[in-house]
Amino acid sequence: DSGVTQTPKHLITATGQRVTLRCSPRSGDLSVYWYQQSLDQGLQFLIQYYNGEERAKGNILERFSAQQFPDLHSELNLSSLELGDSALYFCASSVGGEGDTQYFGPGTRLTVL
Amino acid sequence: GQQVMQIPQYQHVQEGEDFTTYCNSSTTLSNIQWYKQRPGGHPVFLIQLVKSGEVKKQKRLTFQFGEAKKNSSLHITATQTTDVGTYFCAGQTSGTYKYIFGTGTRLKVLA
Repeated sequence: DSGVTQTPKHLITATGQRVTLRCSPRSGDLSVYWYQQSLDQGLQFLIQYYNGEERAKGNILERFSAQQFPDLHSELNLSSLELGDSALYFCASSVGGEGDTQYFGPGTRLTVL
Repeated sequence: GQQVMQIPQYQHVQEGEDFTTYCNSSTTLSNIQWYKQRPGGHPVFLIQLVKSGEVKKQKRLTFQFGEAKKNSSLHITATQTTDVGTYFCAGQTSGTYKYIFGTGTRLKVLA
């Protein structure tokens, strides 16, 4: 158990819908990262927040957005969902500095039908 | 943009054989991390390398960071069935906070 929690574990929805994925970092960690892992694929970095502020951005679609709240939990919002958005979405947390170890949550499996 | 490639993509070995995965970055890295993801699981941190030419060992696992800090390798001696999973490298460039993950090497160990 990494100490990072993600909800829900599974999510099944239809194309065109909007969903919100939630992540709670390890106690004391200020940074949250979001990754997308499609079937049999590597991890695509989406976005990183540090203490409520966006710190780094990867290949995140305009239909996706994220935020980190004052209590440091984070949410990833996915809208106008397409079939190709079906994937595992991982959240990771770290203390916040460069070269930090990232601790991954169990992931949310999103299926878009 | 920055790319991190890993080879091989897949590797099947007999239990007891050695295994190596290689990671190559298109840019110089400030540090590199290695993760293992078991089937159905999430990535788990293994180690971080920071210095040019650095070599670190964890029991049967040996990690190397190249002199130019653009490549890295993970070598497993005498594989066991518990080594099954996908091994990812993740590189970070100086001045950025994001990690670029390699494409991963999926290891299968045949008993």
